[in-house]
Amino acid sequence: SQKIEQNSEALNIQEGKTATLTCNYTNYSPAYLQWYRQDPGRGPVFLLLIRENEKEKRKERLKVTFDTTLKQSLFHITASQPADSATYLCALGRTNAGKSTFGDGTTLTVKP
Amino acid sequence: GAGVSQSPSNKVTEKGKDVELRCDPISGHTALYWYRQSLGQGLEFLIYFQGNSAPDKSGLPSDRFSAERTGGSVSTLTIQRTQQEDSAVYLCASSSPFPDQPQHFGDGTRLSIL
Repeated sequence: SQKIEQNSEALNIQEGKTATLTCNYTNYSPAYLQWYRQDPGRGPVFLLLIRENEKEKRKERLKVTFDTTLKQSLFHITASQPADSATYLCALGRTNAGKSTFGDGTTLTVKP
Repeated sequence: GAGVSQSPSNKVTEKGKDVELRCDPISGHTALYWYRQSLGQGLEFLIYFQGNSAPDKSGLPSDRFSAERTGGSVSTLTIQRTQQEDSAVYLCASSSPFPDQPQHFGDGTRLSIL
């Protein structure tokens, strides 16, 4: 069955460092992968999308990579700030299916 | 513009009662999704609508769960004869019709079954 694993449930880093979050998947061939941010008590908010034929996407301090051979996506936040503290979710989908499948998320804490 | 609106934001009910959860999607979004999120967990897919039809109901956990969408807009998720294991946050999202489009989420209904 399909499985999505996000690295450790919690990641703690110092302000100014780069945070790297991992999303691994098995038994799945996604056409695209999305990253969302979720704050406590709120719904997820879309951050970035990367398609299977793209290696890397950037948006401001965010960078996403997608390696379909390794079946892995890496999500980087450079020059991290305490305001980046949140839970980050990856979601995978196929173009012939309406739904996306979400990972359990990684909770990032950036300490001043 | 207005985002996805869910009501009520919190619902406490007794075991065995029926509950209805409402979702108002972003105007013009033809795709609508329901998810369930238990404490500290990821999102569990429940059902997907394209317009008023539901091509994927595969995530509904039992026949106590049903959902409908009318006028290609508002959706209602109904849970009959609630059980304690139904306690969770129920999230609704909407998007434009193409599968890779970002989903816009409401802030959810926190359901507690006593």
